[in-house]
Amino acid sequence: GAVVSQHPSWVICKSGTSVKIECRSLDFQATTMFWYRQFPKQSLMLMATSNEGSKATYEQGVEKDKFLINHASLTLSTLTVTSAHPEDSSFYICSAPRDSEYNSPLHFGNGTRLTVT
Amino acid sequence: RKEVEQDPGPFNVPEGATVAFNCTYSNSASQSFFWYRQDCRKEPKLLMSVYSSGNEDGRFTAQLNRASQYISLLIRDSKLSDSATYLCAVKSTGGFKTIFGAGTRLFVKA
Repeated sequence: GAVVSQHPSWVICKSGTSVKIECRSLDFQATTMFWYRQFPKQSLMLMATSNEGSKATYEQGVEKDKFLINHASLTLSTLTVTSAHPEDSSFYICSAPRDSEYNSPLHFGNGTRLTVT
Repeated sequence: RKEVEQDPGPFNVPEGATVAFNCTYSNSASQSFFWYRQDCRKEPKLLMSVYSSGNEDGRFTAQLNRASQYISLLIRDSKLSDSATYLCAVKSTGGFKTIFGAGTRLFVKA
């Protein structure tokens, strides 16, 4: 069964509004979670690393003030897309390794398809 | 140069065929390697980890060549249900970031 849960699965919003996406680890504690974005027919692009109890680490080119990440507990990370624009429309997917071992693979949430009109 | 590169695809094969995908990575210090499967408009799902000695899971075989910095995935006796995009993933040292290749689309036809 799923080990990472993401909500909502899809959202449609108007330009200028903010959207919050939640990512939960279901039966394990995740001190680190990863947020990816995927445009149609393109690869997964890492946006940021979410760290429990500390600031997120953003990849080059990702605006930290636009994509707010909060990882307030060991089982929940949230991504807020602020002042959304149509070009932010994408598939956002969170993931977490089940443990801290270096060879532990990522498990993904079911993703959030965001459409900004 | 991209950190992780894959065969562009798409691969169109008949049922029962054997198909192989390759993936190269640029960071020689990479430690962990994986293959994921992604169906259309879905999240990626782990297919298998790739171990140094190579490993097999049913019809799927993964190989790692550290000297040449590439990993491969072999699918034997292809099924219609194998149609998907296959992503290779490489985990870097420090920070545990996982970088994905662009994916290779596979179409298995009856």
